Amino acid sequence: EVQLVESGGGLVQPGGSLRLSCTGSRFTLAEHYMGWVRQAPGKGLEWVARINRDSSEKLYVDSVKGRFTISRDHARNSLYLQMGSLRADDTAVYYCATEAWWRMDVWGQGTTVTVSS
Amino acid sequence: QSALTQFPSASGSPGQLVTISCTGTSSDVGAYNSVSWYQQHPGKAPKLIIYEVSQRPSGVSDRFSGSKSGNTASLTVSGLQAEDEANYYCSSRTGSGNVIFGGGTKLTV
Repeated sequence: EVQLVESGGGLVQPGGSLRLSCTGSRFTLAEHYMGWVRQAPGKGLEWVARINRDSSEKLYVDSVKGRFTISRDHARNSLYLQMGSLRADDTAVYYCATEAWWRMDVWGQGTTVTVSS
Repeated sequence: QSALTQFPSASGSPGQLVTISCTGTSSDVGAYNSVSWYQQHPGKAPKLIIYEVSQRPSGVSDRFSGSKSGNTASLTVSGLQAEDEANYYCSSRTGSGNVIFGGGTKLTV
């Protein structure tokens, strides 16, 4: 079964940093635009960032610009989200997903980030 | 940019038809045919069920259909079944090339 698997979530203090990873199982990430979507507890979905296949284009939601960086490593078949200056309102389940023509086709199971002192 | 507008809840009885709406602006839903719909069961990842307004991915039941008129997109679920009970989210391309989601609609069967 094709899968995306996220990791790296956890508890972090406000102002801290965290790096999320997403790897493909029987799935080649390099062939796809990739993105991150988050969901705060009890809330709806929020698109966070997208990266194209050769990493030449990266887009972010305004609320994370300057704090988060999306990247990818084709050799490791992986996608990353480096998160810094974390705030309480960054607390969420973070999903990685393939993104094609502004739709998310394949989703991971999510990794939970909690920002709290 | 504010989220697309969805009614928080909808309901129907088994076998019935339900329509869920998603209202945006002339800069997102009204401007592009890049509207998608996702189904999310509690504790699970979202699943794409409609893309490009009315296209169904392979394997998605034809009981799900989508449409758009002006700044409002709609998801119709016909022949409601118990397993359709879930949260449904719409999304659209924006003028800046990002993606914006709706607030979600909880469908109760």
